[in-house]
Amino acid sequence: KAGVTQTPRYLIKTRGQQVTLSCSPISGHRSVSWYQQTPGQGLQFLFEYFSETQRNKGNFPGRFSGRQFSNSRSEMNVSTLELGDSALYLCASSRVGATDTQYFGPGTRLTVL
Amino acid sequence: AQSVTQLDSQVPVFEEAPVELRCNYSSSVSVYLFWYVQYPNQGLQLLLKYLSGSTLVKGINGFEAEFNKSQTSFHLRKPSVHISDTAEYFCAVSEYGGYNKLIFGAGTRLAVHP
Repeated sequence: KAGVTQTPRYLIKTRGQQVTLSCSPISGHRSVSWYQQTPGQGLQFLFEYFSETQRNKGNFPGRFSGRQFSNSRSEMNVSTLELGDSALYLCASSRVGATDTQYFGPGTRLTVL
Repeated sequence: AQSVTQLDSQVPVFEEAPVELRCNYSSSVSVYLFWYVQYPNQGLQLLLKYLSGSTLVKGINGFEAEFNKSQTSFHLRKPSVHISDTAEYFCAVSEYGGYNKLIFGAGTRLAVHP
């Protein structure tokens, strides 16, 4: 069974630009969560989608948004990039709820110059 | 709101020695508890989780953890480590009924030396 895939793996953008990251969950998984990992702030929850609806949201500005498609694939978008948005963005998928194991993808490394 | 404190940022240990990585949490509601491992340039992999029942939880790669409700702790242990256990370890909690929102600790870097 294929794992969680994230594309692209590496991305370089400049301040002010916008970026879209993609996540394909494990087949049969309906929940997709996004996390930001930085050396200073560690791992922080961005948001979670289930059946195309945002079910939970972390404490991030409105520049961070996401969506989920009917096939459970998810995208997250960051507009008006700032230097502080440089991070590893991790996607995780699970079947339904909090008792189900979340499987993480390898992440997208975003560098903002 | 929940918070997780990993008491050691780095733990050096010699190969075949036992190790304990400490984790304390704070929450006003009941939580589920998790330990994840991250190898360089990879995502996170679940080692073990506590949902309910027996407070001693066994996971993959010979790791185990014990949930202590009175001390709000969930320490991770392994009786004999290998070089391949060198990685970053994260303790995390999620709230009952809180869907899939994980709150992570800052991580503990385990360095196993020969």
